[in-house]
Amino acid sequence: SQTIHQWPATLVQPVGSPLSLECTVEGTSNPNLYWYRQAAGRGLQLLFYSVGIGQISSEVPQNLSASRPQDRQFILSSKKLLLSDSGFYLCACSEAGDYGYTFGSGTRLTVV
Amino acid sequence: EDQVTQSPEALRLQEGESSSLNCSYTVSGLRGLFWYRQDPGKGPEFLFTLYSAGEEKEKERLKATLTKKESFLHITAPKPEDSATYLCAVRLDSNYQLIWGAGTKLIIKP
Repeated sequence: SQTIHQWPATLVQPVGSPLSLECTVEGTSNPNLYWYRQAAGRGLQLLFYSVGIGQISSEVPQNLSASRPQDRQFILSSKKLLLSDSGFYLCACSEAGDYGYTFGSGTRLTVV
Repeated sequence: EDQVTQSPEALRLQEGESSSLNCSYTVSGLRGLFWYRQDPGKGPEFLFTLYSAGEEKEKERLKATLTKKESFLHITAPKPEDSATYLCAVRLDSNYQLIWGAGTKLIIKP
């Protein structure tokens, strides 16, 4: 079964600072990878997804970007954080033909 | 527009008081419906996948059912440790992405 490692668990960053959140996957090859954001009391908002190395699709225009430098590594970045970037960020993966998602433990980002 | 709606937003029960959570969907071509449990500050944890109307799945005190328009998550004789937010999502025929409901926050009082 798949395992997702996501770090850090919490992060407090000033407005205008850069961001890098990393997610790595074990137990599978060539997974589909996803970055979600979850606002308090809200559903999951898909930010980016990737079906392979270097292949990134963006769902929502925003201040963030994503990269997939290796098969099982997915990175969420920003050059300059905004207050509105605060939230709970989740990395997820799924395998081809497998409909279920496995989630990481999440990163609570607070931009101050 | 494809949409998933969960109700109620929050549900408070006494320990042992059975109830149901609802997930209604309006989508063009359902490939699968998923239930997840999410504890505060944690990522969602997979519970069930349902693929066709009439299907049912059980796990401990939880049972998920599916019709052509909605899914129910029945919880029987809940315990305080069942307190969590329960999320529903659907996958469409057209792609592998999931459409998520906003969740139901379940609180079980001892």
